[in-house]
Amino acid sequence: GQQLNQSPQSMFIQEGEDVSMNCTSSSIFNTWLWYKQDPGEGPVLLIALYKAGELTSNGRLTAQFGITRKDSFLNISASIPSDVGIYFCAGLQGGSEKLVFGKGTKLTVNP
Amino acid sequence: DVKVTQSSRYLVKRTGEKVFLECVQDMDHENMFWYRQDPGLGLRLIYFSYDVKMKEKGDIPEGYSVSREKKERFSLILESASTNQTSMYLCASSLSLAGGPDTQYFGPGTRLTVL
Repeated sequence: GQQLNQSPQSMFIQEGEDVSMNCTSSSIFNTWLWYKQDPGEGPVLLIALYKAGELTSNGRLTAQFGITRKDSFLNISASIPSDVGIYFCAGLQGGSEKLVFGKGTKLTVNP
Repeated sequence: DVKVTQSSRYLVKRTGEKVFLECVQDMDHENMFWYRQDPGLGLRLIYFSYDVKMKEKGDIPEGYSVSREKKERFSLILESASTNQTSMYLCASSLSLAGGPDTQYFGPGTRLTVL
């Protein structure tokens, strides 16, 4: 099936640093979603974006729906150790109920 | 808050056994989904259902079947478990707004090991 191009694949950062990751596609999406998954757990929804250009924050997290509707990014400011995990982007295309996923960004935060 | 629950967090079965994985959501969502997640392959859709007794094949339906007799419950069935079905199985649900804004919510996952 189709997949989104998510980068970077992994990141190793120091506590307190800011983090940026993104997802791109050659296709247009109507919805962009960002999830975080801890080891052995299901993905937890962080932010949902529904309009091109939309910028949404959830605490230290900020995500944007790209103006072309083909990309999205997620920023985490002032990272802390509990930010460790795998972050997934996912998109919904018009007329489809099926999510298309990125392969994830594995984040490691060194205290 | 949306709650999606899965019947087991960990399951160990033998090759050839019939396996049932249950998923329940409490938000009156129309759509329910079953995925499997494997290292390096990401999340892959097995089956989904957009209404009671309705089902659609996802990307990897072979070796699986599903049942949706009630709106809140979606079951994944492995008719004859094989070792290559060892995986993390994730259930999800969404409201379904016919092309409008939508969001999928995931359960905690079932780690299935087939020996």
